[in-house]
Amino acid sequence: GAVVSQHPSWVICKSGTSVKIECRSLDFQATTMFWYRQFPKQSLMLMATSNEGSKATYEQGVEKDKFLINHASLTLSTLTVTSAHPEDSSFYICSGGQGAADPYEQYFGPGTRLTVT
Amino acid sequence: RKEVEQDPGPFNVPEGATVAFNCTYSNSASQSFFWYRQDCRKEPKLLMSVYSSGNEDGRFTAQLNRASQYISLLIRDSKLSDSATYLCVVNTYGNKLVFGAGTILRVKS
Repeated sequence: GAVVSQHPSWVICKSGTSVKIECRSLDFQATTMFWYRQFPKQSLMLMATSNEGSKATYEQGVEKDKFLINHASLTLSTLTVTSAHPEDSSFYICSGGQGAADPYEQYFGPGTRLTVT
Repeated sequence: RKEVEQDPGPFNVPEGATVAFNCTYSNSASQSFFWYRQDCRKEPKLLMSVYSSGNEDGRFTAQLNRASQYISLLIRDSKLSDSATYLCVVNTYGNKLVFGAGTILRVKS
């Protein structure tokens, strides 16, 4: 159980375009979803935390107007990278948590590799 | 100073060897601790939680020293399939996880 899917698994786009990444919890209700970014040979860095029906909470240094997060339902969250630039090329991973039921356990999606040319 | 620090390695070991990884964390208020495994270009996967009393899961043993803010992972009888990056992860603020940069393990035949 506790499966999270992401779509697309990889995407190549031109500089200046926007890209939407979907994250779905397939067999559980994710009251909280987390978005991470991982650059080569670096650790996962938390970008934002979103609770269903609420605005996302962004980590320091992450531009909320550039990385739009929507968590409209308990099984779906989306991350939109607006006006993407080559420096946004990275591995984006989402995870879902069940909130109070198990606050520290997160189930990770397979990740989306974004390349901006 | 990084919140979670690990030796990046790589650790190159022969099959059957015992290998140990260390990790330190800076926030003494941290509450939960984990080891994750990440294969190349894949998402991280939970290997085991780490408890103050120490815990073992098959060939894997994890230890936590709260006084020293130090976490360890011991892998016995290494297998080729153990080759991966091992991430030390700490829960520090609410339900947020902070990841170390990882330690690379390469097991060779």
